[in-house]
Amino acid sequence: EVQLVEFGGGLVQPGRSLRLSCGASGFRFDDYAMHWVRQTPGKGLEWVSGISWNSGSIGYADSVKGRFTISRDNARRLLYLEMNSLRPEDTALYYCAKSPTVRAGYANDWFDPWGQGTLVSVSS
Amino acid sequence: SYVLTQPPSVSEAPGKTARITCGGDAIGSKSVHWYQQKPGQAPVLVIYYDSDRPSGIPERFSGSNTGNTATLTITRVEAGDEADYYCQVWDGSSDQLIFGGGTKLTVL
Repeated sequence: EVQLVEFGGGLVQPGRSLRLSCGASGFRFDDYAMHWVRQTPGKGLEWVSGISWNSGSIGYADSVKGRFTISRDNARRLLYLEMNSLRPEDTALYYCAKSPTVRAGYANDWFDPWGQGTLVSVSS
Repeated sequence: SYVLTQPPSVSEAPGKTARITCGGDAIGSKSVHWYQQKPGQAPVLVIYYDSDRPSGIPERFSGSNTGNTATLTITRVEAGDEADYYCQVWDGSSDQLIFGGGTKLTVL
């Protein structure tokens, strides 16, 4: 069974940094692109970033470009999201999600399955 | 960037057919994916590539996509189908994955 477990969320002050991690199991992690998707409390979904299976292609939403960095460690089966210069509007539940397509880039992708999310709160 | 428009809410009685739309400029030329999210849970893929169903998703769920509108259709609606539904596409002009605003399905 595929399992994705996010951790690293918490309360952080505006302007500070936070690193999220997502541990994967139940599938060959190094064969699949991975993504971060966030959901503001009570609101909709927003794709944040995606990374191909071999880290060769990476993409970001305009709202986080230049502030967030996605990376992966295939040997440790971990996906990361380094978040810098955090703003109150970055407050959200952050989901890790797997691409269903073997050895694809993050582009033209979709998400299956999703983790349960880790909550990030940016407030002074 | 590309915008997907969904109605905020749709209501339907049990046993009837619910249709949830997702509007976008020439969306028929894109692949549309649909997710179901129940309260307190992570989203679940219910339709990919416009009309394909992942294993485990009931045949009552189907999708179509033409022109400027994609549609998720749920036949014989059940109380357990009550959830938020989101459409999603890839926008090649901005290199981003885009979600619609979501539609809350209420089963009357």
